[in-house]
Amino acid sequence: DIQLTQSPSFLSASVGDRVTITCRASQGISSYLAWYQQKPGKAPKLLIYAASTLQSGVPSRFSGSGSGTEFTLTISSLQPEDFATYYCQQLNSYLPLTFGGGTKVEIK
Amino acid sequence: QVQLQESGPGLVKPSETLSLTCTVSGGSISSYYWSWIRQPPGKGLEWIGYIYYSGSTNYNPSLKSRVTISVDTSKNQFSLKLSSVTAADTAVYYCARSPALFWSGGYYYYMDVWGKGTTVTVSS
Repeated sequence: DIQLTQSPSFLSASVGDRVTITCRASQGISSYLAWYQQKPGKAPKLLIYAASTLQSGVPSRFSGSGSGTEFTLTISSLQPEDFATYYCQQLNSYLPLTFGGGTKVEIK
Repeated sequence: QVQLQESGPGLVKPSETLSLTCTVSGGSISSYYWSWIRQPPGKGLEWIGYIYYSGSTNYNPSLKSRVTISVDTSKNQFSLKLSSVTAADTAVYYCARSPALFWSGGYYYYMDVWGKGTTVTVSS
């Protein structure tokens, strides 16, 4: 089975900081990756799909990059509403649509 | 806009079958893939499986022996059945829509619309 490993699992940052979260796949998945944001008690929200395509309505401070086995989600200038948990997910249906373990972003 | 709403019992006894329904409103169930995802308390997300409006399915191998997902296009609903449940199946269960974008030679099954989730507890 494919594994997605996110790092770090927790990070503490300040408003205005540039934040980068990494997702590593146990096998190559080309650009079949999405990123979601989840706030406590809420459903996940799609941010990025196909590794780097921004979902409609998502602020441009969010960006994604990578291909193959290593991917990154970057928030260029962290805003108060960005404190949440972020998950990556592989999107190729020939494999289970596995999620990473999550990265919790908290206020420093 | 499209909205999804999960419904079903909040409490299920061990060894019984968990049954949930997701109702799609504000749009058609046709031409999309529809997923179930769950999240145990304090833990991460687990994809359970998806169904196409035509009825074809794809399940997580770790749950495949216990899962059945079905669709009722006349009611704009799809459903989840999970058999032989244990306490480990206690979770928030979400339904979600996948456009299955075809791009650069492949299909991308991201989930762009989610229900609010429903909590299911397995306990006697």
